Amino acid sequence: AQKITQTQPGMFVQEKEAVTLDCTYDTSDQSYGLFWYKQPSSGEMIFLIYQGSYDEQNATEGRYSLNFQKARKSANLVISASQLGDSAMYFCAMRDPNTGNQFYFGTGTSLTVIP
Amino acid sequence: GAVVSQHPSWVICKSGTSVKIECRSLDFQATTMFWYRQFPKQSLMLMATSNEGSKATYEQGVEKDKFLINHASLTLSTLTVTSAHPEDSSFYICSAPRTILYEQYFGPGTRLTVT
Repeated sequence: AQKITQTQPGMFVQEKEAVTLDCTYDTSDQSYGLFWYKQPSSGEMIFLIYQGSYDEQNATEGRYSLNFQKARKSANLVISASQLGDSAMYFCAMRDPNTGNQFYFGTGTSLTVIP
Repeated sequence: GAVVSQHPSWVICKSGTSVKIECRSLDFQATTMFWYRQFPKQSLMLMATSNEGSKATYEQGVEKDKFLINHASLTLSTLTVTSAHPEDSSFYICSAPRTILYEQYFGPGTRLTVT
């Protein structure tokens, strides 16, 4: 069963606008971690933000924030004030402590920032 | 700066030959490292979990005799693609968890092309 679902294969956003990238997850565990990574065309995976399942506050890191809705099992990434350099693939991932902390990745969302 | 390195960054080899890819944690020790494979415009697929001092754990469908993994030290894991075929051409990425959050730091990836 798919554990991480990203339903937006591609998104466009105007420069300086905010954009939300969707992510839903499936787990029966109480303890888990949710992550967002950015992958530019160079291929490297860049860690953006983390949300723990017990964290009551939504995580924020600079222009990135995570809209965590535990009951709905969603962990959407919000990028504020988009920049041209934000154009990349974005992957949502979940750490599963039951499988040696391996990560399950979504299929990714390709974000294009339009000048 | 990068905390996980990979070498080589790209390699072209002939069908039937073997290729070794190195993954190093630069300023921390990693008892566990993960190897992923990524096809163009697709997500990362976990191939195996590399464990220092013990055998690697392979995901279902991954041939352990074809993709040899050796976790030689607390900072080095190697993936050897044996008897490579054109269908093995892909982007191979390693990662290592670093902190209590278990966020994974990824290497820059190795692009393998088998001719």
